Amino acid sequence: GAVVSQHPSRVICKSGTSVKIECRSLDFQATTMFWYRQFPKQSLMLMATSNEGSKATYEQGVEKDKFLINHASLTLSTLTVTSAHPEDSSFYICSAVYRVRLNEQFFGPGTRLTVL
Amino acid sequence: GNSVTQMEGPVTLSEEAFLTINCTYTATGYPSLFWYVQYPGEGLQLLLKATKADDKGSNKGFEATYRKETTSFHLEKGSVQVSDSAVYFCALSDPQGGSEKLVFGKGTKLTVNP
Repeated sequence: GAVVSQHPSRVICKSGTSVKIECRSLDFQATTMFWYRQFPKQSLMLMATSNEGSKATYEQGVEKDKFLINHASLTLSTLTVTSAHPEDSSFYICSAVYRVRLNEQFFGPGTRLTVL
Repeated sequence: GNSVTQMEGPVTLSEEAFLTINCTYTATGYPSLFWYVQYPGEGLQLLLKATKADDKGSNKGFEATYRKETTSFHLEKGSVQVSDSAVYFCALSDPQGGSEKLVFGKGTKLTVNP
């Protein structure tokens, strides 16, 4: 149990286009999901906290208008990278909080975004 | 602010060797400490955790003890296997912050050779 999926696993897009990444909790309801960004050989950086039914809370330095987050239901959060540029190329990872397991976070496998 | 520093890799060991991955932290409150593992092509998985000073987390032969006096949470395993090859992340969360936010170290890649 407590599986989190992400779709797509890889995406390549042209500069200026928008890309949507989905994060789903498959067998539990998650009122809170997190979005992280990971650069090569670097740590995961928290981008934002996504709460079902309310606006996301962004970390300092993360552009709200570029990284749109929607937590539409208790099992789905989406991250849309708008007007993507090559510097947005990265590995994006989501996690979902499983409160029954004492607030343990379960992570998705990640999405590799490459902007040409 | 809160931060985590862990030893840089990569680390390469032979099977049955002893493993230590160092992790130290800086926190304003009384954080919970975690080790996550990321196997190739998979998401991060919780390996073990400790929520207060002197607690020892353990799982799959791995251990780490929450040392408040040295602000450390070093990961150890007495005899590694090839299947332990993965990237290991040390992390903390500060419950006083009122959320489950995690702060991660940079990760240490471990390769175990037969």
